[in-house]
This record gives sequence, C-alpha cells and structure tokens, in this order.
Amino acid sequence: GQQLNQSPQSMFIQEGEDVSMNCTSSSIFNTWLWYKQDPGEGPVLLIALYKAGELTSNGRLTAQFGITRKDSFLNISASIPSDVGIYFCAGQRSSNTGKLIFGQGTTLQVKP
Amino acid sequence: DAMVIQNPRYQVTQFGKPVTLSCSQTLNHNVMYWYQQKSSQAPKLLFHYYDKDFNNEADTPDNFQSRRPNTSFCFLDIRSPGLGDAAMYLCATSGTGLGTIRADTQYFGPGTRLTVL
Repeated sequence: GQQLNQSPQSMFIQEGEDVSMNCTSSSIFNTWLWYKQDPGEGPVLLIALYKAGELTSNGRLTAQFGITRKDSFLNISASIPSDVGIYFCAGQRSSNTGKLIFGQGTTLQVKP
Repeated sequence: DAMVIQNPRYQVTQFGKPVTLSCSQTLNHNVMYWYQQKSSQAPKLLFHYYDKDFNNEADTPDNFQSRRPNTSFCFLDIRSPGLGDAAMYLCATSGTGLGTIRADTQYFGPGTRLTVL
C-alpha cells in the first residue's frame, strides 16, 4: 500500500542528544499522527496534529504539522534509554474513513 | 483506565487450522480496525467496522474475516492460516468516546503475535 516517506530509517545516538525525524508526502493530509512502538507491543500515540502549521509538545517531544500539509517532523530532546523503539508517522486524508497512511518507521537506539 | 484490549497476546496455531483473535475496548468508540504487521514493517490495514458497517480493504485475502457482535468487541478470524500469515495483529479504535482527542484519532491495542507451525 501507499506509504509516506519517513526518514531517517534508523538512528543510533548517545543519551542526552536531541533527535529529529520527519515524514513527507506528495499528497496533502488533514491529520498527522506520531506513534511509538516498543518490541512486541502495539503503537502508542505520542502526538496528534490537526492544523497546518500546528506545533505541539508532549514532554520532551515536539511535533509540527507542515504549512504545506505535506510533511511533519518529530523532535525528541535530551534522549534517554527508554526512548528506544520504532517511531511511525501516519497521515489521514479524510476524517470520514479514518484510514491511516503510515511511514516506514524510524528505529531509534540510544546508547547510555 | 479506558483502553483497547487484545487476547490472547500470543497465539500459536497449526497450518490450516482456523484461529480467532479477539479485541475489546472500553473507549466506547464506534470504529474498530484490524491491522496486520510483519517484522520491521508498518501496520497494514485489513478492514474496519464503522458501527456495524464492514469495510474491507481491496487487497485483504478472503482467508481473513471479521465479526463485530457489539460496540465493545471485534474478532478477527483466519480461516486457514498459512505460514505467510504469521505476524503481529493489531486492533485499533477511533470515535468520540472516553478520553478521545478527536473522533478520527486511532488508538491501538497491544497486539496479538500469531505463530503458524
């Protein structure tokens, strides 16, 4: 199925460093969602974005809905070991169907 | 806490032996989804229920069926599992229920890991 272009595919960083990942699309989305998935678990919603230009924070996490509505980024500040996991962006074109288009995921590893 | 619950968390079945996975939710959401996720890949939508209306994805094999007897429960039936059906199966919900940011935001359960021998 169709996917968003999510980058980077993987990151290996030192504890305390900041992290940035992004998703881009050739199509416009009405909603951007960012999820984190731990091994063997389901995705957990981190941040939901509903308006172009919206900048939202959740603790050390900050995400923005791009002005063009074709991209979004997620930043993690001062990373800690429990930030390890796979981060997925997901976009929705229509609130009626609720169908999510997922990025390929960014695997984050944090070295203590 | 309101949540999406999946049982069992791990399921082992034999090749060709029917298996049913269960999802329940206490969010009172009207939409329920089933996804298949294989290793290192994004979740892939199989189908969803909007209230009682079943919506199948075009590329979902006939081997996969679903039932939603009431608002709270939804089942995934795999009629004749093949080795290629081994995956994590995720249930998600959305709607205007408890603790929801907005009606179209999806909340996932912990998943059921299916092994086919």
